[in-house]
Amino acid sequence: EPEVTQTPSHQVTQMGQEVILRCVPISNHLYFYWYRQILGQKVEFLVSFYNNEISEKSEIFDDQFSVERPDGSNFTLKIRSTKLEDSAMYFCASSEALGTSGTSTDTQYFGPGTRLTVL
Amino acid sequence: DQQVKQNSPSLSVQEGRISILNCDYTNSMFDYFLWYKKYPAEGPTFLISISSIKDKNEDGRFTVFLNKSAKHLSLHIVPSQPGDSAVYFCAASLYSGTYKYIFGTGTRLKVLA
Repeated sequence: EPEVTQTPSHQVTQMGQEVILRCVPISNHLYFYWYRQILGQKVEFLVSFYNNEISEKSEIFDDQFSVERPDGSNFTLKIRSTKLEDSAMYFCASSEALGTSGTSTDTQYFGPGTRLTVL
Repeated sequence: DQQVKQNSPSLSVQEGRISILNCDYTNSMFDYFLWYKKYPAEGPTFLISISSIKDKNEDGRFTVFLNKSAKHLSLHIVPSQPGDSAVYFCAASLYSGTYKYIFGTGTRLKVLA
C-alpha cells in the first residue's frame, strides 16, 4: 500500500544550524502538508502546499521556515536557524485532492515523522 | 486554541468489550472529521472519517458517530482487541484554501487481555 516516507527518522542539531527534513508523499497526491508535535502537546498544522506554492501557513511557520518541492517526488521543510523550541516530531502528510467538501479524497495520510532535537 | 477537545486523556477497556472515545469541537464550520491512531514513534494512521452531512460511518469494528447539534464526535470500537492499544486523535477539517486539520490532544486507549 502506498505510504508517505520521511527521512531522517531522527535529526540532532545545534541551535542556530539549518536543518532540512525530507518527505516523499504518496505518488498521485497533489496536496502536501507539514505538521509538528511538541512532546506532550497536540499535533499542530504548519503549512500546506499545492501547485508549487504555499496555500496556507500557521503563525508558527515564520520566516525561519520554508518548504520546497525540488523535484517530482520530494517535499522538504527547511528550518534556517534552529531554536531550542523547534525540538519536536515533524510529520509530513499528503492528500489526493480537495474534491468536494468533506470527501474521502481530502483525507491526509501521514508519514512516520522526523524527531528533531535541537541542543 | 481549543477548537477540538478530547477530555479523557486515557481509557482502559477489557478485551472484547466496547471502547468509546469522545471528542468535542467548538467551530460549527468544520465539515469533515477524522480519527487517527498513533503508536509511539510512528505517524498518525488514518482510521475512519465522517462528513458533516452524515451522522454515522462504519468500517468493520470501527464506527464514528457525529452529533452536530452537540458538536460531539465519538469513535466506537467493537470488539476491542489488545492491538487497538494506542493513542487516538480526533481531527476536524476546516477549509481555508486547503483542508488543514485541527487535532485534539489524544486519548490513550489500553485494551486489557
